[in-house]
Amino acid sequence: DGGITQSPKYLFRKEGQNVTLSCEQNLNHDAMYWYRQDPGQGLRLIYYSQIVNDFQKGDIAEGYSVSREKKESFPLTVTSAQKNPTAFYLCASSPPGSGRAREQFFGPGTRLTVL
Amino acid sequence: ILNVEQSPQSLHVQEGDSTNFTCSFPSSNFYALHWYRWETAKSPEALFVMTLNGDEKKKGRISATLNTKEGYSYLYIKGSQPEDSATYLCAPDLNTGTASKLTFGTGTRLQVTL
Repeated sequence: DGGITQSPKYLFRKEGQNVTLSCEQNLNHDAMYWYRQDPGQGLRLIYYSQIVNDFQKGDIAEGYSVSREKKESFPLTVTSAQKNPTAFYLCASSPPGSGRAREQFFGPGTRLTVL
Repeated sequence: ILNVEQSPQSLHVQEGDSTNFTCSFPSSNFYALHWYRWETAKSPEALFVMTLNGDEKKKGRISATLNTKEGYSYLYIKGSQPEDSATYLCAPDLNTGTASKLTFGTGTRLQVTL
């Protein structure tokens, strides 16, 4: 089955610890994205990557880091510098093709709680 | 910060009712407008991606229109069914660069009851 997987579904960490959220896709998509959702707010873009070994900051990148060493994988690290890390995190990807008006496919999300 | 507004915030209709939602966004730097449906405990799922002013797209009982000059899009659901219950998100791509970057609204939460 093709799709996007995120693990784990729920994650608990102590304040001050870095934590890495996994995102894997077997759709052969070039572009991948990380979003964050907080209550009462729309999805906000953290980082995105258009191709392997390249990524750009989104609107709220502070306190986060990413890597894109493989096409299939786009892990997100929430560092201790992120002031309010507790949130629901969604990973997405979009297929290759001409133009950029391509729908995004979302994973099931990871709910991170920092205690 | 780009301002994307969706209205109403929530909506409760009965089975068989038709309904519509609004998405408004800045009209400058417009590239595309995305609509997604997000059901509880599932992942957001794309409904439409529209790029042209005056565009109208349809998928079953759901359709959408786009006005890029005035910066709004409507989503219509004809004859709502309980399975239409979800949050509907709009997301314009207003990036001035070459990459697709979406700015999501907070969504319209639709509940359809029997």
